[in-house]
Amino acid sequence: DTGVSQNPRHKITKRGQNVTFRCDPISEHNRLYWYRQTLGQGPEFLTYFQNEAQLEKSRLLSDRFSAERPKGSFSTLEIQRTEQGDSAMYLCAEVAGGNNEQFFGPGTRLTVL
Amino acid sequence: GENVEQHPSTLSVQEGDSAVIKCTYSDSASNYFPWYKQELGKGPQLIIDIRSNVGEKKDQRIAVTLNKTAKHFSLHITETQPEDSAVYFCAASRSMDSSYKLIFGSGTRLLVRP
Repeated sequence: DTGVSQNPRHKITKRGQNVTFRCDPISEHNRLYWYRQTLGQGPEFLTYFQNEAQLEKSRLLSDRFSAERPKGSFSTLEIQRTEQGDSAMYLCAEVAGGNNEQFFGPGTRLTVL
Repeated sequence: GENVEQHPSTLSVQEGDSAVIKCTYSDSASNYFPWYKQELGKGPQLIIDIRSNVGEKKDQRIAVTLNKTAKHFSLHITETQPEDSAVYFCAASRSMDSSYKLIFGSGTRLLVRP
């Protein structure tokens, strides 16, 4: 157990609704990542933070997606006007220590009806 | 950009046998290669990793080998046990990429038959 926690674990929503996910890493002021994983595929990078600064965003992150990390601690990922194609597992990972090893949380599974 | 291919997509072995999963990467600048195990309903769990300055690393029943010239790396699990059944992912990243983001393979579903 890495200690990275994510909430909620499951979210079912109707198309067009907004959803927000939260990630609580073990440590503050380190690198924190968001990935998306669709069924049968490996995780895909969405974005990452160094402390509170969002330093890189994938092309997968459309303008309906926004991520924040106030104060360099927990992070939130919001999806506006959800679409069925947004259905996936959203994973948060943090780097612990100086070896760039990424440790993942349990994920939030989103289902858009 | 980097592309990581993983084979096989499914692997079934008898308990006690060895399992080998192979990955190839496209970006010669990649220098960090972790392996993750993912069980149903859980996030990926880091099980072993290797950096480009070594060719092999072992941790009990798990070993990883890296061939930089051929740009491929492999996961070896010996004396497999039913609890090894899961989906395994390889990944690659490069230190010159300031994000150190991971590029994942598509996964291998390992089934260990008792």
